[in-house]
Amino acid sequence: QVQLQQWGAGLLKPSETLSLTCAVYGGSFSGYYWSWIRQPPGKGLEWIGEINHSGSTNYNPSLKSRVTISVDTSKNQFSLKLSSVTAADTAVYYCARGAYCTNGVCYLLGYFYWGQGTLVTVSS
Amino acid sequence: QSALTQPASVSGSPGQSITISCTGTSSDVGGYNYVSWYQQHPGKAPKLMIYDVSNRPSGVSNRFSGSKSGNTASLTISGLQAEDEADYYCSSYTSSSTPHWVFGGGTKLTVL
Repeated sequence: QVQLQQWGAGLLKPSETLSLTCAVYGGSFSGYYWSWIRQPPGKGLEWIGEINHSGSTNYNPSLKSRVTISVDTSKNQFSLKLSSVTAADTAVYYCARGAYCTNGVCYLLGYFYWGQGTLVTVSS
Repeated sequence: QSALTQPASVSGSPGQSITISCTGTSSDVGGYNYVSWYQQHPGKAPKLMIYDVSNRPSGVSNRFSGSKSGNTASLTISGLQAEDEADYYCSSYTSSSTPHWVFGGGTKLTVL
C-alpha cells in the first residue's frame, strides 16, 4: 500500500520561503512523477509542479519563477520550495503520485495517491 | 480564473443522474485523452474517480462514468446517493507553454 506523508512549516511571514517535504512509503519510487498541488481556503485546486526520480521537473508556468522541487531518492522523499510568499500563497498543500514512466513511455493515470495535506498560512 | 470551466453547482435527487461539464481548449481537454475527475469531501484530500477520460480506478463505483467530446469533458453520476454530495474537479494535461496539468474551478454537487 502506497502512503504519502508530508510535513513542513505551517505559518510563514510575507517574503519568506515555503518548504515542504513528502515521504513515500510502499510501492516503487522510481518510475513515477511526484507532484505538488495546492488549494486555497474555499477555492479550487492548482497544480504546482512535479519531479521524477532522475530529477526531471515540470512546473506550472504561473509559479515557475518561485518554485523549486527536488528529490532525495535515498530517502524516497521529494520537497517543495516556494520563495517570496504572499498571502495569496495561503493554501492547503498536497503531495501526490503522478504519471508512471517506463521504457520511454509515460502513462498519465491521474492522481490516485495523495498526502494528508498541510495548511500553510502566510501572515504578517 | 481556472483554466478549465465547470459549473459552480449542480443538484439532483437520490436515484437521479447528473452530469458535470468541463470545458477547455484544443491545448488541453481537446488535445489529449488525459482528463481526470476528482471527488472531494470537506476537509479531505481529493479522490480520483475517473482517469484518461473514461477509466475508473479500482474501487470506484460504476455509477461514475466519464466522456469527452471536442473540448468538453463530462462526468456523469447515475443513481445519485447522499454520499455523492461533494465537490468535483476536472483536470487535464496540457502542453500549452510547458507540459503541465490544469484544473477546473470545481462543481458543488448537492443531493436534494
